[in-house]
Amino acid sequence: EAQVTQNPRYLITVTGKKLTVTCSQNMNHEYMSWYRQDPGLGLRQIYYSMNVEVTDKGDVPEGYKVSRKEKRNFPLILESPSPNQTSLYFCASSIRDTREQYFGPGTRLTVT
Amino acid sequence: RKEVEQDPGPFNVPEGATVAFNCTYSNSASQSFFWYRQDCRKEPKLLMSVYSSGNEDGRFTAQLNRASQYISLLIRDSKLSDSATYLCAVLRATGGFKTIFGAGTRLFVKA
Repeated sequence: EAQVTQNPRYLITVTGKKLTVTCSQNMNHEYMSWYRQDPGLGLRQIYYSMNVEVTDKGDVPEGYKVSRKEKRNFPLILESPSPNQTSLYFCASSIRDTREQYFGPGTRLTVT
Repeated sequence: RKEVEQDPGPFNVPEGATVAFNCTYSNSASQSFFWYRQDCRKEPKLLMSVYSSGNEDGRFTAQLNRASQYISLLIRDSKLSDSATYLCAVLRATGGFKTIFGAGTRLFVKA
């Protein structure tokens, strides 16, 4: 089954404790992206990648890191999480030609 | 002003009604346009891409007006199962992947 998977689905952590949210897709998509979704603000792009080893900032990259060492994986790293990073996070992938995005199920992160 | 704006609604319509959503964008360099559907607490799912010539998929019709910088989504013969939030998405430039989403329009279809 073609899909985008994210882990963990739910995470409660404390300020400053480094964490990684994994994202994997099995559709051989070139493009991958991370978003956060907050009430009233909608989906905002954090980082995106157009191919292996090619990443670029979205609109809200501060406090996040990403890497794209393999085509299928695009982890999101929070080196020192803060309460304002409490949010619902989505990973998405897309083929280059259409840029139609397929989303993972989401990760609900709470930073206390 | 937000780069992509949608009426947040909610739109409350009876089954069988026709409902239209608009989405305006401010960056004239925007190249690709999409409508996504999001059910409560779930991931967004692609509804349709929006082409310059307009496109239709069953009860759904999408239009693009580049001169006025808006896209629209028309849903005919609304079903209860159409109740969801509808998100428009805009890609800023050809060849890139920088994507801006609208905050979404909430639709409730009632029996």
